[in-house]
Amino acid sequence: GAVVSQHPSRVICKSGTSVKIECRSLDFQATTMFWYRQFPKKSLMLMATSNEGSKATYEQGVEKDKFLINHASLTLSTLTVTSAHPEDSSFYICSARDGGGTYEQYFGPGTRLTVT
Amino acid sequence: DAKTTQPNSMESNEEEPVHLPCNHSTISGTDYIHWYRQLPSQGPEYVIHGLTSNVNNRMASLAIAEDRKSSTLILHRATLRDAAVYYCILRDVPPFYGGSQGNLIFGKGTKLSVKP
Repeated sequence: GAVVSQHPSRVICKSGTSVKIECRSLDFQATTMFWYRQFPKKSLMLMATSNEGSKATYEQGVEKDKFLINHASLTLSTLTVTSAHPEDSSFYICSARDGGGTYEQYFGPGTRLTVT
Repeated sequence: DAKTTQPNSMESNEEEPVHLPCNHSTISGTDYIHWYRQLPSQGPEYVIHGLTSNVNNRMASLAIAEDRKSSTLILHRATLRDAAVYYCILRDVPPFYGGSQGNLIFGKGTKLSVKP
């Protein structure tokens, strides 16, 4: 089946620094990518949707200047958490929609961010 | 998107069938029923989806009520690896639709425990 990768799988950073998370679709073209955040023992919360070559659409309550999303190609999207704080510590999961076939949505393995 | 209701948790014995229920009484005519599961510390994994007819694949079966107000995910022989949170999600566009619509919105899901 279709594969979505994320890098890094885990990252620890200091408060005030920025962290970039990459999401790649390995064997299909992802016209649309989604970023979710999941706090411990909670469900996934959609943060934003991005279409290749366009600005991302953010969900209500998600700061676009803090969570920068770039979807520059059909196989890569990046999420940058700027000036990270401990409350940004979470499990970030990307998802990619197959634009050339079933339009099904596939998920990456997630990135565990810890801000100290 | 219409809301779904699932039990918070369920238990099963290994190698026995498991029936995971989902109520979606406000489902609309164009809503597809999707099931995803999330193993601990991993991204969600697609299980199965359907519209009106029952569906089978190598992972599971999906039984959809005639009025479509409920559905049941059936794992025919639970294994320890099936222990996960199972999400029943309604998606208001068919799987072959592109664009930003049809985002997967996750509820709380059912945490399935499998006893050896």
